[in-house]
Amino acid sequence: EIVLTQSPGTLSLSPGERATLSCRASQSVSSSYLAWYQQKPGQAPGLLIYGASSRATGIPDRFSGSGSGTDFTLTISRLEPEDFAVYYCQQYGSSPWTFGQGTKVEIK
Amino acid sequence: QVQVQESGPGLVKPSQTLSLTCTVSGGSISSGDYYWSWIRQPPGKGLEWIGYIYYSGSTYDNPSLKSRVTISVDRSKNQFSLKLSSVTAADTAVYYCARGDYPYAFDIWGQGTMVTVSS
Repeated sequence: EIVLTQSPGTLSLSPGERATLSCRASQSVSSSYLAWYQQKPGQAPGLLIYGASSRATGIPDRFSGSGSGTDFTLTISRLEPEDFAVYYCQQYGSSPWTFGQGTKVEIK
Repeated sequence: QVQVQESGPGLVKPSQTLSLTCTVSGGSISSGDYYWSWIRQPPGKGLEWIGYIYYSGSTYDNPSLKSRVTISVDRSKNQFSLKLSSVTAADTAVYYCARGDYPYAFDIWGQGTMVTVSS
């Protein structure tokens, strides 16, 4: 099983600032099948990024994903008020599919 | 626009079997190369993938659940279902159904349904 470790656990930032979230895998993620999701309180997660760097339909270009192998990054270039949420990475290249433990982006 | 929606009891007694159904609307569960999946989230915690049923009918479930999982499909109703046996309080969670796709990952999610295991 591939274990995904996200850091930091919590990121305290102000609107307009840049957010950099990390996801590290215990083994190489096959074909860069790494996704990022955003979850707000009381809501289901929503897909942001798939294939490590492709934005899902309707996702603004302030969200970007990068990385390969075992190290992946989600960057939010300028935080908007609606971006404060929990973010999860997920690998779907090897079974069982696994999620990271999440990074909370909170308002400073 | 494909949508999925979970349904089932919100309370299950310990040692019993949790049963949930996911209804797919706006498209056929048999069309496309999709992995119809179940994911859960205990209160205040992260996400755990439970398993999937492939559009062909093959299934795979997370070994961490120690063979307690059964996922099946009813094509006539455009639904797929989850059964989790021998539940304990640790199985208390919001249960989501979702559509998995390559390379798009989980691109469609239900709103989730809370299931509490308690006597």
